[in-house]
Formats: sequence, structure tokens, C-alpha cells
Amino acid sequence: AQRVTQPEKLLSVFKGAPVELKCNYSYSGSPELFWYVQYSRQRLQLLLRHISRESIKGFTADLNKGETSFHLKKPFAQEEDSAMYYCALRAPGGYQKVTFGTGTKLQVIP
Amino acid sequence: NAGVTQTPKFQVLKTGQSMTLQCAQDMNHEYMSWYRQDPGMGLRLIHYSVGAGITDQGEVPNGYNVSRSTTEDFPLRLLSAAPSQTSVYFCASRTTLGNTIYFGEGSWLTVV
Repeated sequence: AQRVTQPEKLLSVFKGAPVELKCNYSYSGSPELFWYVQYSRQRLQLLLRHISRESIKGFTADLNKGETSFHLKKPFAQEEDSAMYYCALRAPGGYQKVTFGTGTKLQVIP
Repeated sequence: NAGVTQTPKFQVLKTGQSMTLQCAQDMNHEYMSWYRQDPGMGLRLIHYSVGAGITDQGEVPNGYNVSRSTTEDFPLRLLSAAPSQTSVYFCASRTTLGNTIYFGEGSWLTVV
């Protein structure tokens, strides 16, 4: 069974400090991994996906297959980064379900 | 673009009542799903559909029914509401091979 673990319910950092939101997964194979974000009063939306190896709003995430992790990082936190962040996993293939973690609330203190 | 539209946004039900949460998408997506969001539990998949006429159970299907008669609509029915079904419900859609899930705004349901 596939599983996503986000160990921190709440992460508080000061503005300008580095941010790392942890995500570990359980899946035997090569999954597709994503980070979704929910800003206050907005819909959940895709932030980034591992396959694109992109940086969005200064955030990056590297898939570490050895540690089965997909941590989200940003070198300098901004107040507008305050939101709920969800890590998600999907098995390869079009009809596969997406499993979400429990989410981490990021609070950036001015 | 409307995207994914859910109604109602807020609802209070009495235990034992039934209701339907409506979901519609205008992006011609094959894949639609319903999640519930609870504190400390994250998003849990209730039911999903890979196309009109095809539905399947997710992680927490008990107490819920779905149908998919058209590509656009994917209603979620609560058969006999229980306080444990108090939650925020999200409808979502994507293309079959797509990497991006599009979410509705959420429906806040309270069962008293």
C-alpha cells in the first residue's frame, strides 16, 4: 500500500529563514510525487512535481529514492508562504489514485 | 473558467438525514474524485471515477454513494448522515494522464 507521511503538523519559521517541509513515502517502485498548497481562503493547488524538477515561488523538492523522501525546501521564507502544504504520491499510470499526506501548516513569522 | 464547482458551500444536517453534494467540472476531465479533509488526517479519498459510468471506492467510502452519468458531474450522496461525517469535502478532477489535480472550493458539512 502507498503511504505518505508528513511528520510536522505545524512549522513556524521567521521571515528570511530557511524552510524545509518533510515528506516521506512508502511505495515499492517509482512513484510520482507532488506538493500541493492551500493558501488561506483559496483552493488547493499544485505547487510542484518531482518529474519537472522545477522551482516554483522559490521552492524546490528533490526526490531521494534511497531515503524515500521528497522534502520541500526554500532558502528564505516569505510571509506569503504561510499556508497548508500537502505532499502527495501517485503510482505510475494514468488511472492511479493519489494519496495525500496529513499536511503541514507553515507559519512565517514577520 | 469555472473549473471545478461544488455546491453547497456550507450545510448543517441532522443525524440520519440524507443529502447530495454536487460537483461539476467544465474541463472535460475523465478522472474525478471526492476527498474529505479532517484535522490531523489530511485528505482522504472517498470515491473516484475514471469516466462516465465507472466509479470505485477510495480509502473511506462507507456511508457515501457516487454516480457518474456524465463526464461533467460527479455527485456525492450521504445516505444517512452521522456526526463522524462532519468534515470539509473537496471534489477534484484531472485528465487521466495529467499530473495536475484541480480542486473545488470545498463544502463545509456539519452533522448534529
